[in-house]
Amino acid sequence: EAQVTQNPRYLITVTGKKLTVTCSQNMNHEYMSWYRQDPGLGLRQIYYSMNVEVTDKGDVPEGYKVSRKEKRNFPLILESPSPNQTSLYFCASSLSGTQVGQFFGPGTRLTVL
Amino acid sequence: SQQGEEDPQALSIQEGENATMNCSYKTSINNLQWYRQNSGRGLVHLILIRSNEREKHSGRLRVTLDTSKKSSSLLITASRAADTASYFCATDHSSYKLIFGSGTRLLVRP
Repeated sequence: EAQVTQNPRYLITVTGKKLTVTCSQNMNHEYMSWYRQDPGLGLRQIYYSMNVEVTDKGDVPEGYKVSRKEKRNFPLILESPSPNQTSLYFCASSLSGTQVGQFFGPGTRLTVL
Repeated sequence: SQQGEEDPQALSIQEGENATMNCSYKTSINNLQWYRQNSGRGLVHLILIRSNEREKHSGRLRVTLDTSKKSSSLLITASRAADTASYFCATDHSSYKLIFGSGTRLLVRP
């Protein structure tokens, strides 16, 4: 089944404790991206990747890192999480950038205390 | 901000009625996409309309695009309770970044 998977789905952590949210797709998509969703603000793009080893900042990259060492995986790293990073995070992928519809993962609900 | 604006923010209709939601944006686009999100879950792509298209249909969905007014509308005909969800428009300005609106919450009453 074609899908985008994220792990963990739920995470409660404390300020400053490094964490990684994994994202994997099985559709051989070149483009992957991360979004955060906050009430009343819609989705905002954090980082995106056009292909392996090619990543770039979205609209809200501060406090986040990403890497794209393999085509299928695009982990989101929070080196020192803070409470303002409490949010619902989505990974998405597509065959060719944003010229086509995106496949979204199920989301990761992160709470930073 | 290039972020799209959607209206209404919330819409409540009876099953069988049509639902219309609107999206406006500020700068020129390559395409505009509509997504559905059931409560707290991942977004599902519904339909994409390119800047040189004016209308597109997919099942009970009809999307229009007016680039002169920088606006789009999504019409869901003969709504069902299962259509209850949040609907988001997203605009592509660069082929690698999508800008999402804040969404319309649709409630379809049985």
